[in-house]
Amino acid sequence: DTEVTQTPKHLVMGMTNKKSLKCEQHMGHRAMYWYKQKAKKPPELMFVYSYEKLSINESVPSRFSPECPNSSLLNLHLHALQPEDSALYLCASSQTTGTYEQYFGPGTRLTVT
Amino acid sequence: GENVEQHPSTLSVQEGDSAVIKCTYSDSASNYFPWYKQELGKRPQLIIDIRSNVGEKKDQRIAVTLNKTAKHFSLHITETQPEDSAVYFCAASRQYNNNDMRFGAGTRLTVKP
Repeated sequence: DTEVTQTPKHLVMGMTNKKSLKCEQHMGHRAMYWYKQKAKKPPELMFVYSYEKLSINESVPSRFSPECPNSSLLNLHLHALQPEDSALYLCASSQTTGTYEQYFGPGTRLTVT
Repeated sequence: GENVEQHPSTLSVQEGDSAVIKCTYSDSASNYFPWYKQELGKRPQLIIDIRSNVGEKKDQRIAVTLNKTAKHFSLHITETQPEDSAVYFCAASRQYNNNDMRFGAGTRLTVKP
């Protein structure tokens, strides 16, 4: 299995809702990443997990809460989001943070109403 | 932190012509430079990459060159085809420390049949 999967594919949520995005990989990768991509913009790094521990938090607001319950799973918990948080959220993985290639999932398109 | 600039923002070529996209980076510690292709509504996909100990790399119609002294790298696509139409992102990261990848703003390439 050489794929990163993400669920759900689309998500619409209100500003008072709590929801979670899920990312999974079975390539044995020990580094996982969350990116945010606005329309016609490049992906922006949000979080990096290395061996299930958070190693980079790019000053992301606390309404985004990442979680890495095991080496194959990465979650992004969402609470009290703003309309400007609407974007494509991409998950990626690599063998470790010391190796190069990052493989991206298909993304979750999030709309905050 | 790293800052990656990419030019041009849009590029239109005739089928069969060559296309060149250029990027510059600011962090001299960056040592890994991937190029991603992102079709509309799809995930970024790695098409070619180069590491700082190499000056040029080629894969069929795609080549990448790196000038470490000048801190710039370029993507060259020869014999372009309509299916090459997409947004191309360059990126830079420091492999030995968390692999925090920074992307250029992207180039929308259109190949006219």
